[in-house]
Amino acid sequence: GAGVSQSPSNKVTEKGKDVELRCDPISGHTALYWYRQRLGQGLEFLIYFQGNSAPDKSGLPSDRFSAERTGESVSTLTIQRTQQEDSAVYLCASSRGPPGTGELFFGEGSRLTVL
Amino acid sequence: AQRVTQPEKLLSVFKGAPVELKCNYSYSGSPELFWYVQYSRQRLQLLLRHISRESIKGFTADLNKGETSFHLKKPFAQEEDSAMYYCALRVAAGNKLTFGGGTRVLVKP
Repeated sequence: GAGVSQSPSNKVTEKGKDVELRCDPISGHTALYWYRQRLGQGLEFLIYFQGNSAPDKSGLPSDRFSAERTGESVSTLTIQRTQQEDSAVYLCASSRGPPGTGELFFGEGSRLTVL
Repeated sequence: AQRVTQPEKLLSVFKGAPVELKCNYSYSGSPELFWYVQYSRQRLQLLLRHISRESIKGFTADLNKGETSFHLKKPFAQEEDSAMYYCALRVAAGNKLTFGGGTRVLVKP
């Protein structure tokens, strides 16, 4: 496809379960971002991949959160032992670069609900 | 660390009235500033960037380094401008974007 693709679009899980969220970036985009958007709040940076460089994990809220990216392709965000406060929309974005223009192309997000 | 602040969570204006969305940042160097917009049921997308000095959909934004601000303005708001707007900052090419908390704009008929 032409855009950033995320799956699943919706996920309902029970507290304590692990979840995996997937992101397919635009082909050729070397940068990939994960953000979290809680209800009524702004975008919270989670992690940033740039080519083969070490990822910037400074936004991951706890060690229950991890993300991987294979080369310049698919990325997976994993949340272990989910908690109710993890409920949010998880947005993935990709961009060209560096240097790039700074334009991020966003997916439609994965809405996670933890019961 | 850099930070972006959007002090208004909600701005409600009437159609045809001017609208200004405030954005302040904290960073000691020369950042790049952006405005992103999310219309209802659409993806978040770039509206404009300060480097381009462009006007998009009637919106303009001027980077004021002295006041560390990048406010977004439109002289005559339209109903289709109703959306969520995010200010974002990048400190260097290839570096991550840091977003503000967002401002919801509601343009009433």
